[in-house]
Amino acid sequence: AQSVAQPEDQVNVAEGNPLTVKCTYSVSGNPYLFWYVQYPNRGLQFLLKYITGDNLVKGSYGFEAEFNKSQTSFHLKKPSALVSDSALYFCAVRVITGAGSYQLTFGKGTKLSVIP
Amino acid sequence: DAGVIQSPRHEVTEMGQEVTLRCKPISGHDYLFWYRQTMMRGLELLIYFNNNVPIDDSGMPEDRFSAKMPNASFSTLKIQPSEPRDSAVYFCASSLFWASQPYNEQFFGPGTRLTVL
Repeated sequence: AQSVAQPEDQVNVAEGNPLTVKCTYSVSGNPYLFWYVQYPNRGLQFLLKYITGDNLVKGSYGFEAEFNKSQTSFHLKKPSALVSDSALYFCAVRVITGAGSYQLTFGKGTKLSVIP
Repeated sequence: DAGVIQSPRHEVTEMGQEVTLRCKPISGHDYLFWYRQTMMRGLELLIYFNNNVPIDDSGMPEDRFSAKMPNASFSTLKIQPSEPRDSAVYFCASSLFWASQPYNEQFFGPGTRLTVL
């Protein structure tokens, strides 16, 4: 089965420091990977996606993600964390079903807290 | 575009009552997803539609849950009868899936927070 795993329930980082939110994947074939962010009392918002090409993907709000095929990872990164980055982050993988339709399978989510 | 629209934003009801959640997807999108989010279980996919046709409802927890999509611009998720354990935030999401670019992201609505007393 195709899936993603987010090994950390919570990540704490000081404001101004670099942040990393981890995600590993398990897929057959080429992986199509996504990161979403959820702010309190809001729906999920798309941040970035990896399809093919450069292993470093740039997205919204200064976030980027590094795709590593050998380590089957797709970690979310930001060089300098802001307090406003505090939110819940979800990694997801696209799954094509036997019927030819598609869905996204989401990880459990990682709560990021940026400390002033 | 206004994005995915959900109503109501909050619903408080008593056990045994019928609850109907509504969703208007982004115009032109051909996929619609219903999710449920709780602290205990995280984000769960309940059911999704492609061109108004239900594709996979294996995530629907019980027969008390049903979903319809009568046209491309409207979907409902109904719970009858409701129970306290149904309390959660329910999200609707839509996307456009092209065979030549099969990696379009999903756009989520703001969610409906359901509380069943």
